Amino acid sequence: GQQVMQIPQYQHVQEGEDFTTYCNSSTTLSNIQWYKQRPGGHPVFLIQLVKSGEVKKQKRLTFQFGEAKKNSSLHITATQTTDVGTYFCAGGWNQFYFGTGTSLTVIP
Amino acid sequence: DAGVTQSPTHLIKTRGQQVTLRCSPISGHKSVSWYQQVLGQGPQFIFQYYEKEERGRGNFPDRFSARQFPNYSSELNVNALLLGDSALYLCASSLVLSYEQYFGPGTRLTVT
Repeated sequence: GQQVMQIPQYQHVQEGEDFTTYCNSSTTLSNIQWYKQRPGGHPVFLIQLVKSGEVKKQKRLTFQFGEAKKNSSLHITATQTTDVGTYFCAGGWNQFYFGTGTSLTVIP
Repeated sequence: DAGVTQSPTHLIKTRGQQVTLRCSPISGHKSVSWYQQVLGQGPQFIFQYYEKEERGRGNFPDRFSARQFPNYSSELNVNALLLGDSALYLCASSLVLSYEQYFGPGTRLTVT
């Protein structure tokens, strides 16, 4: 079946450092979505990418969708303590597959 | 506006029992999806419903079933509970299929 892997699994950064998580799918995705889940919370939608090679920015967050639509990345510039949480990519159409997630810890 | 609501919040069941979880989507949303999230893992897709019809099913046994009602609310049923069914069950609603999903707070199911 389809697999969506994310690396790294865990990332600890000093506040102010940058952070990147990579998402790789075993099959081509029609779209990719990114979610953030705080400890004890539920996933919260961040963004959706649809087009091959698409790049979108939200303040300090930059999202990319690969040319082959099989990979994606999320980059956070100058992390803050409010960025703490697990970041998931997810994709699919009538079946939706979440990635394995990257847990981000920000050290003040 | 109210977000996605789920009930109950917590549930403790015994092996072999049956459970029904409920979800009310955001007003105007016609698609509801169900996910199982085990601690430390990403959500696993169970079902997706759109306009009261099943549009997608994940790799879960037939013990899992769901339905969507005319008001777009949804129920997830799990029969013959196993210890491994213990997890957080999340419901998500979206305007249409595969659009941005809004998650409810989840139902924490513990099977003893």
